[in-house]
Amino acid sequence: DAKTTQPNSMESNEEEPVHLPCNHSTISGTDYIHWYRQLPSQGPEYVIHGLTSNVNNRMASLAIAEDRKSSTLILHRATLRDAAVYYCILNEGGFKTIFGAGTRLFVKA
Amino acid sequence: NAGVTQTPKFQVLKTGQSMTLQCAQDMNHEYMSWYRQDPGMGLRLIHYSVGAGITDQGEVPNGYNVSRSTTEDFPLRLLSAAPSQTSVYFCASSYSGVGNQPQHFGDGTRLSIL
Repeated sequence: DAKTTQPNSMESNEEEPVHLPCNHSTISGTDYIHWYRQLPSQGPEYVIHGLTSNVNNRMASLAIAEDRKSSTLILHRATLRDAAVYYCILNEGGFKTIFGAGTRLFVKA
Repeated sequence: NAGVTQTPKFQVLKTGQSMTLQCAQDMNHEYMSWYRQDPGMGLRLIHYSVGAGITDQGEVPNGYNVSRSTTEDFPLRLLSAAPSQTSVYFCASSYSGVGNQPQHFGDGTRLSIL
């Protein structure tokens, strides 16, 4: 099963954009790239997903490298409520997904 | 929509006791799953189901039992609780198993085994 690599933690200032990187060099052609976030004492929350093209929704943007070996989750203006653990996972269908330790995002006021 | 509902939110057990963690979803999702999350770690898949009457083992199934008699419910049973099963348990559901379908998670059950 393909795995992802993320930094353990990142820090951002409030109101500034945040770019959360994810490496997935062994991604297969059928793997979708999903991002989830987990707020304290809550379950993971779906953020965004994509296959090849960049994606935007109300929560964030997803930029996918042309070779699909890496991706970046972009929060356009970080708020204190965005402080969470962000998980980048690959989903080829079924239950072949692996949630790693994710990136803990700290947002400073 | 309530989404995915887990009960109880907290539970303390003694070693050797059994209990059932409840999970219900109201989105008519076929796929349901149970994960455990230990401190500072990601989620590990315990058991999953692709529809009523069909279940299978995930990465860490030992000590747990599941059944899926209805589309809505997917209970997780601890047969004989052990301290190593102290964890936060999350139930999730998705519309199908296709790779572009997001999972919807409950808020978890925090379980302590003494």
